[in-house]
Amino acid sequence: DAKTTQPPSMDCAEGRAANLPCNHSTISGNEYVYWYRQIHSQGPQYIIHGLKNNETNEMASLIITEDRKSSTLILPHATLRDTAVYYCIVSLKAAGNKLTFGGGTRVLVKP
Amino acid sequence: DADVTQTPRNRITKTGKRIMLECSQTKGHDRMYWYRQDPGLGLRLIYYSFDVKDINKGEISDGYSVSRQAQAKFSLSLESAIPNQTALYFCATSDPGGPYTGELFFGEGSRLTVL
Repeated sequence: DAKTTQPPSMDCAEGRAANLPCNHSTISGNEYVYWYRQIHSQGPQYIIHGLKNNETNEMASLIITEDRKSSTLILPHATLRDTAVYYCIVSLKAAGNKLTFGGGTRVLVKP
Repeated sequence: DADVTQTPRNRITKTGKRIMLECSQTKGHDRMYWYRQDPGLGLRLIYYSFDVKDINKGEISDGYSVSRQAQAKFSLSLESAIPNQTALYFCATSDPGGPYTGELFFGEGSRLTVL
């Protein structure tokens, strides 16, 4: 699986959009980009995933660059409850969910 | 009730003791996983199982064993616990069928301390 690079931490103002970057320059054509988050020491929670096209769901939007070497997770209106560690993961669908969680980005949403 | 339940939630034990962490799920998923998380780090895959007769090693399986007793149950054992196995352990499930999303569903975690 391709390796991902994320900033170790970032702050965000409550009510503002949070834009979380992820670099995955070695991604292959059939690898997906997944985002999970982990609030405190709870089990990670799935947010969104995509292959080539931008994706949106009730939690977030995922913007993947045309060359697929990077992506951005957007939390449109961050709340205090969005404070968490966010993991960007690249994996083959055929790998059967054997996702590898790196260090992630620790996001602190401030009032 | 949680869909993925881990027991015990917290355990303190001594070096050399045998420990079993249990995971049960009510989601009806075929695939189950055990992950380990050390403080300040991401999760690492220990073992995974795609059905009752299937067991596969993950990236850090040494010192651990697993048993898939039924579709709903997946246990992780430490035959002789050592202090560097002190960590937070997560069980997860996934469903390969239907509208496949790649989503993993995690339990609440089992915190193990080996003295």
